[in-house]
Amino acid sequence: AQTVTQSQPEMSVQEAETVTLSCTYDTSENNYYLFWYKQPPSRQMILVIRQEAYKQQNATENRFSVNFQKAAKSFSLKISDSQLGDTAMYFCAFMVNTDKLIFGTGTRLQVFP
Amino acid sequence: EPEVTQTPSHQVTQMGQEVILRCVPISNHLYFYWYRQILGQKVEFLVSFYNNEISEKSEIFDDQFSVERPDGSNFTLKIRSTKLEDSAMYFCASNSRTGPNTEAFFGQGTRLTVV
Repeated sequence: AQTVTQSQPEMSVQEAETVTLSCTYDTSENNYYLFWYKQPPSRQMILVIRQEAYKQQNATENRFSVNFQKAAKSFSLKISDSQLGDTAMYFCAFMVNTDKLIFGTGTRLQVFP
Repeated sequence: EPEVTQTPSHQVTQMGQEVILRCVPISNHLYFYWYRQILGQKVEFLVSFYNNEISEKSEIFDDQFSVERPDGSNFTLKIRSTKLEDSAMYFCASNSRTGPNTEAFFGQGTRLTVV
């Protein structure tokens, strides 16, 4: 079975600092996609960053970057220069082709001034 | 920028009533999904839909649930007889293709409250 595990229920960081959110997954597939979604209090699901498993290079999107370790089945999210607007729930998710997304349980991130 | 649109944003219904949640996916997308998020919990897959039929459904998606795409644009989720435990945020998503640029675009969600 394919599973996604986020072991940090809550994290906090001071504004302008860097924080890393952890995610591990389990699959027997070789080609798949990994995502980090942000869910602010409005509860909308906002895509933060994506990674294709066949790409060795780690994805980056402005202040957001991932550390993708395929052999270890690890996909962590690093947020640099944290901003108050980054306060949200963050979900790691896994998908094979156009199959369903499988989500982790989420990490609640609080950014303090 | 194209987006997935869901209506209504909030629906309150009495237990036992039927509800229909509506979604307009991005126009050139071919794959459609419904997900559910009970308050404080993770997002769970309900059903996927492709080529006018269900391609996969979860164990949550029992006989009380149905989906259809009646007019080629709307994608609806119907709950025939709502229960208190159906109270949740329901997200519609659509996806265009396999391979590069595969990505599920989410709507803003419909908050369903069953009383």
